[in-house]
Amino acid sequence: DIQMTQSPSSLSASVGDKVTITCRASQSITSYLNWYQQKPGEAPKLLIYAASSLQSGVPSRFSGSGSGTDFTLTISSLQPEDFATYYCEQTYSTLTFGGGTKVQIK
Amino acid sequence: QITLKESGPTLVKPTQTLTLTCTFSGFSLSTNGVGVGWIRQPPGKALEWLALIYWDDDKRYSPSLKSRLTITKGTSKNQVVLTMTNMNPVDTATFYCAHRRRSTSGWYFDSWGQGTLVTVSS
Repeated sequence: DIQMTQSPSSLSASVGDKVTITCRASQSITSYLNWYQQKPGEAPKLLIYAASSLQSGVPSRFSGSGSGTDFTLTISSLQPEDFATYYCEQTYSTLTFGGGTKVQIK
Repeated sequence: QITLKESGPTLVKPTQTLTLTCTFSGFSLSTNGVGVGWIRQPPGKALEWLALIYWDDDKRYSPSLKSRLTITKGTSKNQVVLTMTNMNPVDTATFYCAHRRRSTSGWYFDSWGQGTLVTVSS
């Protein structure tokens, strides 16, 4: 099984900050990596697929990068509506979710 | 517009079997490159994938739960059914179904149901 490790598990940031979340796979998954955002009481929402492709309707302040085992989700300028938990998902071998990163208000 | 909705019991007793139905619209599960998945989330915890079924009836299961899970297409063409046997209080979670789409590099869940909370308690 492919394990996905996200870091940090939580972070505190201010509106306007640049935020970076990382996801590491236990083996190479090439670009088979997605990112989701989940707000309390809501279902997850797809942000990025295939490591760097922005889902339709998602603001351009979100971007994804990486390949192989190391991936990054970047929020270029944090907005109030971005405070949420973010999950990565590998789809190289069926699928596995990461443990999540909670982005909190500083 | 794709929509999905989960339905089933909100409370089950330990050792019982849980049966959940995902009713969807806006797509056909007969279309090449489409799937439906089930994901659960215990209160305050991370997402955990459970099962997937594809347009060609290929089925995949979480290795850790495979012996307890069955996913099938429903009798109605717009439904997918998940059964989970031998329920335990640690299985208390919100269960989501989601639409699976193929991309250039893998697959992704691009539409999700609202989720249904299932509590396991005697």
